[in-house]
Amino acid sequence: DIVLTQSPGTLSLSPGERATLSCRASQTISSSYLAWYQQKPGQAPRLLISGASNRATGIPDRFSGSGSGTDFTLTISRLEPEDFAVYFCQQYGNSRYTFGQGTKLEIK
Amino acid sequence: EVQLVESGGRVVRPGGSLRLSCAASGFTFDDFAMSWVRQAPGKGLEWVSGINWPGDSTRYADSVKDRFTISRDNAKNSLYLQMNSLRAEDTALYYCAREGGAYCGSASCHNVGMDYWGQGARVTVSS
Repeated sequence: DIVLTQSPGTLSLSPGERATLSCRASQTISSSYLAWYQQKPGQAPRLLISGASNRATGIPDRFSGSGSGTDFTLTISRLEPEDFAVYFCQQYGNSRYTFGQGTKLEIK
Repeated sequence: EVQLVESGGRVVRPGGSLRLSCAASGFTFDDFAMSWVRQAPGKGLEWVSGINWPGDSTRYADSVKDRFTISRDNAKNSLYLQMNSLRAEDTALYYCAREGGAYCGSASCHNVGMDYWGQGARVTVSS
């Protein structure tokens, strides 16, 4: 099974700063099947990015995704207070989904 | 407005059974595959099971295979998860999620991922 490893585990930044979150796959995956989700405390996850780089409906353009092969990145260009949350990457392959363990983005 | 509402979560003894339901509205239910995803307290997300739109193809995580059964009733716009032989490690918040399918732009196609989620049903397995 494909394992997704996210880094760092926790990222401490200030509003206005740039955030770079990494997701590394244990083997090459199709970028078409790589997604990113945001989860705030007490809420369900929300789809941010699909196909590695396509923003979901209503997602601000400060969120961007990139990468291919085994290395993928979620970038938040200028952090807003509402962006502090946990972020998960996800891949689909062999008829099953796998999630990374998450990166917690906290206010510094 | 797309809505997914889970129900059926409760406290159950180890070895017991439980059936979760997810009522869908605001979209054409039988156009979409659906999944169940769970989250143990303080932990990350774990995909549990998925089903295609007609309901004749199902997928399971190894951790629940042969114990859980996913099904759907398109006439009732409902998704189900039958959970048998429950274990303490099945304790989690169970989300139902719509699989958005494929989106094709001018140059390429990609998988949309899980574009809508319910608020979850809490399952606690404890004696």
